[in-house]
Amino acid sequence: EAAVTQSPRSKVAVTGGKVTLSCHQTNNHDYMYWYRQDTGHGLRLIHYSYVADSTEKGDIPDGYKASRPSQENFSLILELASLSQTAVYFCASSHRVTNERLFFGHGTKLSVL
Amino acid sequence: GQQVQQSPASLVLQEGENAELQCNFSSTATRLQWFYQRPGGSLVSLLSNPSGTKHTGRLTSTTVTKERRGSLHISSSQITDSGTYLCAIGGTGSKLSFGKGAKLTVSP
Repeated sequence: EAAVTQSPRSKVAVTGGKVTLSCHQTNNHDYMYWYRQDTGHGLRLIHYSYVADSTEKGDIPDGYKASRPSQENFSLILELASLSQTAVYFCASSHRVTNERLFFGHGTKLSVL
Repeated sequence: GQQVQQSPASLVLQEGENAELQCNFSSTATRLQWFYQRPGGSLVSLLSNPSGTKHTGRLTSTTVTKERRGSLHISSSQITDSGTYLCAIGGTGSKLSFGKGAKLTVSP
């Protein structure tokens, strides 16, 4: 079973502060994704990457940056955290695009105060 | 962008009853996947079914691509099936768009 590990599991941040969420996968997957989940909105794609040192914008990239320094690691960066970024964030990975299963991490609950 | 609508939003069943979850999408899709989200948050991939009918255990997924709809049938529901079921749709490329989910509660 694919393993995707997120850290931290939860975080409280102050408005205007910098937040970095980390994701690590151990299954040699090409694709990695960051989603956020809010009550009433389901999962929405923020950024994704299909190769190290390259990231792509998802559907809601504003206010977020992403970094893929290696195939195993994918970070989500909030340079200036805002109240509206309070949500649960999920990292996922997959081997290839077509009909490949997504493997999700356990999520990071972020509260911005 | 792709719009994904799931129905019903919530469903309450007694153990042993069957569940039928619907997924409708707005644009052409080549991928449809079903996920289960446990109470407490983690997500697990259940089925990937771009077209036709696919079975795994008590789950049956049916996708009619040209009608832009899919369904997930859960037979003989169990208490441990309780949770949220999400439908995700993708076209060419790597992005999946998720529905808001259907919350299933199975009681004894």
